[in-house]
Amino acid sequence: DAGITQSPRHKVTETGTPVTLRCHQTENHRYMYWYRQDPGHGLRLIHYSYGVKDTDKGEVSDGYSVSRSKTEDFLLTLESATSSQTSVYFCAAGGQVWDEQFFGPGTRLTVL
Amino acid sequence: DQQVKQNSPSLSVQEGRISILNCDYTNSMFDYFLWYKKYPAEGPTFLISISSIKDKNEDGRFTVFLNKSAKHLSLHIVPSQPGDSAVYFCAARPRTGNQFYFGTGTSLTVIP
Repeated sequence: DAGITQSPRHKVTETGTPVTLRCHQTENHRYMYWYRQDPGHGLRLIHYSYGVKDTDKGEVSDGYSVSRSKTEDFLLTLESATSSQTSVYFCAAGGQVWDEQFFGPGTRLTVL
Repeated sequence: DQQVKQNSPSLSVQEGRISILNCDYTNSMFDYFLWYKKYPAEGPTFLISISSIKDKNEDGRFTVFLNKSAKHLSLHIVPSQPGDSAVYFCAARPRTGNQFYFGTGTSLTVIP
């Protein structure tokens, strides 16, 4: 797992509330990613970061923002959660040049 | 639009036989391809990769084949073992940028 942790691991929240998911890595990877996994869609990229304070959008970025103030931490924020954001969220790090990505254990988010 | 496709949602194979998982892609700019394995309630873990300059890469029981003209890759597992039962995702990365695109996954069941 290359030292990637996610918190919380499970969260239930209500529509309209803000939610922040945290990803922490210990291997000093430059690149970090947030994905969501949904049935029939596989893993879809939400946002990624290529360095401290350097982020870019993925294919499903609407309704999400990210921040990376330190190499080891990458935060995903849902400003106002909606039921369509109920999903399993995975953080990953690595993937530079010919390296693979290492994934965290996932966060299961339910928006009621 | 899905740029990486896994058209078989599931596959069942007898223990000891060969498992063949398929993946198709549409973007000719992809130059790095990976396979990940995912168990329930865990994050995906890297299995094997191949760059576009090769057509085959082997690692123990796992072999990945790349057919660039057909935009097709496959993962062969020989011999299949019950512990191989998992969801397998293929992923691809373009020549420029560091975004990874994932397929929808194939659930492999190896029957003892």
